[in-house]
Amino acid sequence: EADIYQTPRYLVIGTGKKITLECSQTMGHDKMYWYQQDPGMELHLIHYSYGVNSTEKGDLSSESTVSRIRTEHFPLTLESARPSHTSQYLCASKGPAKNIQYFGAGTRLSVL
Amino acid sequence: GENVEQHPSTLSVQEGDSAVIKCTYSDSASNYFPWYKQELGKRPQLIIDIRSNVGEKKDQRIAVTLNKTAKHFSLHITETQPEDSAVYFCAAYHNDMRFGAGTRLTVKP
Repeated sequence: EADIYQTPRYLVIGTGKKITLECSQTMGHDKMYWYQQDPGMELHLIHYSYGVNSTEKGDLSSESTVSRIRTEHFPLTLESARPSHTSQYLCASKGPAKNIQYFGAGTRLSVL
Repeated sequence: GENVEQHPSTLSVQEGDSAVIKCTYSDSASNYFPWYKQELGKRPQLIIDIRSNVGEKKDQRIAVTLNKTAKHFSLHITETQPEDSAVYFCAAYHNDMRFGAGTRLTVKP
């Protein structure tokens, strides 16, 4: 089924660890996005990509990095996690036809 | 760039009453305006959208209106039910999507 998948759904890690949040979509969308969202709060755009080998920083400064080597895959990496990174991370994608943006189920990250 | 403002930030209504959420945008070139509903612990889901060549769109109990001249659009929910309780986000699209800050709607039974 065409969808956007995020793994893991929940992650609890210690300070200083390197982590990668996975995001894959099977809809063939060119545009992909990462948002940081505290529960029920505003969506903050932290990274986006318009296609393979294209990555840009969003409005909210983030210590994370992203890569886009394949159209369907847009992973987000934190080199050294800190408690301030505790939040929910939502991945999204958008196709060219209808402008509809689809969200993944999110990764809820807790850094101890 | 585009700036989207959303009001109110919280809204509490009695079951059966109507709820209205308003958004304004700054980029007159924006041409697509979706509304997303995010239930607790879930992902944002598109519930209704409107394009700039249309002034109003309705889908059962929800409707959206767009005033291009004033650059504002609104979500109307009639006959609210407890399951309408969620955070609602408006957005405006021109080259990229810009989201409002969200409105937490609570429908009291």
